[in-house]
This record gives sequence, C-alpha cells and structure tokens, in this order.
Amino acid sequence: DIQMTQSPSSLSASVGDRVTITCRASQSISSYLNWYQQKPGKAPKLLIFAASSLQSGVPSRFSGSGSGTDFTLTISSLQPEDFATYYCQQSYSTSFTFGPGTKVDIK
Amino acid sequence: QVQLVQSGAEVKKPGASVKVSCKASGYSFTGYYMHWVRQAPGQGLEWMGRINPNSGGTNYAQKFQGWVTMTRDTSISTAYMELSRLRSDDTAVYYCARAQQQLGEPLDYWGQGTLVTVSS
Repeated sequence: DIQMTQSPSSLSASVGDRVTITCRASQSISSYLNWYQQKPGKAPKLLIFAASSLQSGVPSRFSGSGSGTDFTLTISSLQPEDFATYYCQQSYSTSFTFGPGTKVDIK
Repeated sequence: QVQLVQSGAEVKKPGASVKVSCKASGYSFTGYYMHWVRQAPGQGLEWMGRINPNSGGTNYAQKFQGWVTMTRDTSISTAYMELSRLRSDDTAVYYCARAQQQLGEPLDYWGQGTLVTVSS
C-alpha cells in the first residue's frame, strides 16, 4: 500500500497568516492527491482534487500544488473558519489512503 | 441537491456484525462510486473500500478484506457496509462518501456519519 505522511502534525497560527501543509507519498502518485478539511464533529469537506484543482465553492485562499511524491496545501490568509484538521488522500492506487492529518489551531 | 443519509447509531457486542446504510438522493445513484471511510475517536480518517453501484463491483482496503462487505440496492438508491467479527477497536464513526467523476475520484459529498460502538 502507498503510505502518506503529513507535516507538521499540528501548527498554531494567527488570522491572516499564510499557512503551508506538506504531504508526502511513499511512491509516485502523479497528481492523484486530494485535500480535505474536517471540523470537530463534522464530516470532511473536499477542498482540492487532482493536486491543484479547487473544488467548487471553496474560497480561493486555498491552493494546492505538487506532483509525484511531494504536495502542499497553502492557505494564503488564514481566516477564523479555517481552524480545523486537514487531510491529504492519495487516489493513485485502488486503496485510497489518507494522511494522518494536520491540525491547525489558533495561536 | 445531493444528500447522503446514513442509518442511526449502533451499539454492538464484540464478535457481532453491524450493517450501516447510506441512502442517496439528488443524483443518479448508479453513476458514481460510493466509498466508505471510518474515524475512531480522536483519530484520523481510514479508507475502507468502495463500491460501484452500477455493477456492484468492490475494492476493499487490504486491512478489511474478508471482514467487510459492501453492497447496494439500486431500487432504493442505498449503499450498505457490513463489518463482521467486531472488536472494541472498531468503535468509530463510519462515513459513506460519493466519489466525484473527476481525476482521482475525490469524495465530494459525505453522509453525516454513523457511530458504531463496540462494547461488552
């Protein structure tokens, strides 16, 4: 199975900060990488698919980049509603592994 | 609008089985793969498998093979996930999620989650 790692596992940031989360795959997954946001007690929400495509309705402050094994999710200016946990997910193989998550909280 | 409505919370004893349902509405049920994802308390997301509602074909995560069964009833636009031989560490919220018809099947709509508690 393809293993996914994320860094950092958690971070503290302030409103207005630029935030970058990294996701790494154990082998090349081309651009088969999705990003989700999850708030406590809620189902995950799709933010980015195919590494860099913004899901409809998602604010443009979210962006994704990367290919192969290394990917990033960037929030250009953190808003109060962005404090949440973020997960990457590979969809290259028919075992759609998630990363362990990155929790973004308030500094 | 697209909706996925899951069955209610369950409490099961170790060794029992649980079957969770996911009723879809607002789109063509047979046109989109349905995935199942679980989340243990305070833990991350774990992909369990997917079903093609059109053909009934399934793909399961290696961990769950022989242990999980995903089925569907197209007449009522409902997908099912059955997990057998439950253990206490199967206590989790189980989600169904529709896969978008895009590169990489991103999961664009999710059910509300079903809490399954395994306890003696």
